Amino acid sequence: EADIYQTPRYLVIGTGKKITLECSQTMGHDKMYWYQQDPGMELHLIHYSYGVNSTEKGDLSSESTVSRIRTEHFPLTLESARPSHTSQYLCASSEYSATYEQYFGPGTRLTVT
Amino acid sequence: AQKVTQAQTEISVVEKEDVTLDCVYETRDTTYYLFWYKQPPSGELVFLIRRNSFDEQNEISGRYSWNFQKSTSSFNFTITASQVVDSAVYFCALASGSARQLTFGSGTQLTVLP
Repeated sequence: EADIYQTPRYLVIGTGKKITLECSQTMGHDKMYWYQQDPGMELHLIHYSYGVNSTEKGDLSSESTVSRIRTEHFPLTLESARPSHTSQYLCASSEYSATYEQYFGPGTRLTVT
Repeated sequence: AQKVTQAQTEISVVEKEDVTLDCVYETRDTTYYLFWYKQPPSGELVFLIRRNSFDEQNEISGRYSWNFQKSTSSFNFTITASQVVDSAVYFCALASGSARQLTFGSGTQLTVLP
């Protein structure tokens, strides 16, 4: 079973607030990913990291930013939340490249009012 | 460009029925990898299987089996004797040999009724 954690699990916040979604893994994986998923819909990659101090944007344009200062930690930040940011955010990690299985956290369901 | 199509948006079956979830993929790469993930109502994705493009052998794991056919670009997933706990959204995904990310299908919502 994968050891990847996300907090908070649920967040309801007002427009304009700054938020940080936390993601941590204890497996020592170099590769980490953030996906955005609307209910019942496919996953879209918004950020990924291949190691400390490495971050890249994914296919789906996002106003969020990420950082990777420690191997185990990959937080995602929204400087000013908007209703259009309402979605589920899933964090994942993998030991090798994207051609290998990714292990997912439980997700954060974000609602911006 | 890569693409994964899961044409079945929703499927409902009665417990103990067999059910097959379809997955059709597109890629120009000769080396690629296919995956299936399960997303139960709790939200996390659970890895089920990874296959590479050079291994067309079908695979069976308990009640789960996978049929990979390069000729039709399909990687279908069959659950035998379905159970209520199998109810979830199932995603098929693709990564080419040089890919830096996975491409997911839109998912199939499977509901198994008691």
